[in-house]
Amino acid sequence: GENVEQHPSTLSVQEGDSAVIKCTYSDSASNYFPWYKQELGKRPQLIIDIRSNVGEKKDQRIAVTLNKTAKHFSLHITETQPEDSAVYFCAAGNTGKLIFGQGTTLQVKP
Amino acid sequence: EAQVTQNPRYLITVTGKKLTVTCSQNMNHEYMSWYRQDPGLGLRQIYYSMNVEVTDKGDVPEGYKVSRKEKRNFPLILESPSPNQTSLYFCASSSQNYGYTFGSGTRLTVV
Repeated sequence: GENVEQHPSTLSVQEGDSAVIKCTYSDSASNYFPWYKQELGKRPQLIIDIRSNVGEKKDQRIAVTLNKTAKHFSLHITETQPEDSAVYFCAAGNTGKLIFGQGTTLQVKP
Repeated sequence: EAQVTQNPRYLITVTGKKLTVTCSQNMNHEYMSWYRQDPGLGLRQIYYSMNVEVTDKGDVPEGYKVSRKEKRNFPLILESPSPNQTSLYFCASSSQNYGYTFGSGTRLTVV
């Protein structure tokens, strides 16, 4: 079946450094690629998304890139801050059917 | 306030005792979905609905039922719960062009 692979599973960076999380997907029909942030004990929250007709999207310190040919997309966080520490999930699909990656635990050390 | 409300937040039940987790959204969203979250496995989609009376299976539908009789409600039914259904469950909703908004979660324990 369709799946989404996410790497790395854990990531530790120093405050101010950049963090990159990568995902690959298998279903070539996927056209919607959101990223979610989940803080401990809370619900996942949408932080940025990209559609298949766009290659890159940026929102302040967060950017997402998409390579549809290679079926992979990435989340880039610049100038990381301690409050960026959380679990990040990528997802791929269409608006109804959405498959999530396994998650990346990001730790930003002050 | 725009939100997805699911109840209960916590539930402990015994094997085989039918239960329903309710989900309601006040944003007039067409799409609704149920996910379960287990450590190391991420969020796995159980069922989703694209509109009233339209539902489809996700990746892990076995042991679950859903219904979408009204646009705002999407209950999750476990007819005969088993211990392997112990998990954190999230309901979510979205409009056609946006990502899912998640509810606060229901932590289910089946003993």
